Amino acid sequence: GQNIDQPTEMTATEGAIVQINCTYQTSGFNGLFWYQQHAGEAPTFLSYNVLDGLEEKGRFSSFLSRSKGYSYLLLKELQMKDSASYLCAVSSGGSYIPTFGRGTSLIVHP
Amino acid sequence: DTAVSQTPKYLVTQMGNDKSIKCEQNLGHDTMYWYKQDSKKFLKIMFSYNNKELIINETVPNRFSPKSPDKAHLNLHINSLELGDSAVYFCASSLIPSGTGNTIYFGEGSWLTVV
Repeated sequence: GQNIDQPTEMTATEGAIVQINCTYQTSGFNGLFWYQQHAGEAPTFLSYNVLDGLEEKGRFSSFLSRSKGYSYLLLKELQMKDSASYLCAVSSGGSYIPTFGRGTSLIVHP
Repeated sequence: DTAVSQTPKYLVTQMGNDKSIKCEQNLGHDTMYWYKQDSKKFLKIMFSYNNKELIINETVPNRFSPKSPDKAHLNLHINSLELGDSAVYFCASSLIPSGTGNTIYFGEGSWLTVV
């Protein structure tokens, strides 16, 4: 099975930088995803990491350390619209179908 | 055009009833899924179909029965609804079930409330 852990809630200020951590325990790691979910909406894909290191995509970056079972999502120049839940998901074994963590609710305030 | 569409978006029904949620994707994907998101926002895989064949069936009561008439459709039928079935059900699809970067595209969700 898999165990995925991320903080339940975080708050940050508009314009700031926030880092959302995710730790996982799994066997046969294939890859790690980050999804964003606004309240009442569907999750949408943000990033995918399969190798160690940092993947940058605009204001969002995702980091992976496979040896430590650790990832983080870095959001820069926060905007009010970034208030959402951020879901860490890990795929492992033969299925490649990701298992989701409980998500981190990010609140951005002025 | 909506990529993954599911109906109905909202459903309120009484305990013991039978209901269905329909899902269609126009992305040309081979794999479709049903996820359940409970009140604590935990998103959990229920079923996965690849080209109309069941490939994943997590520990789900057999009151839940998926049906895939073709690879663009995956419907979810629920018998004898219980209060604990109240949740948001997300249909999703991906190009293939295996391989790297298996991005999953979600529908907008169906809010089921059992009273």
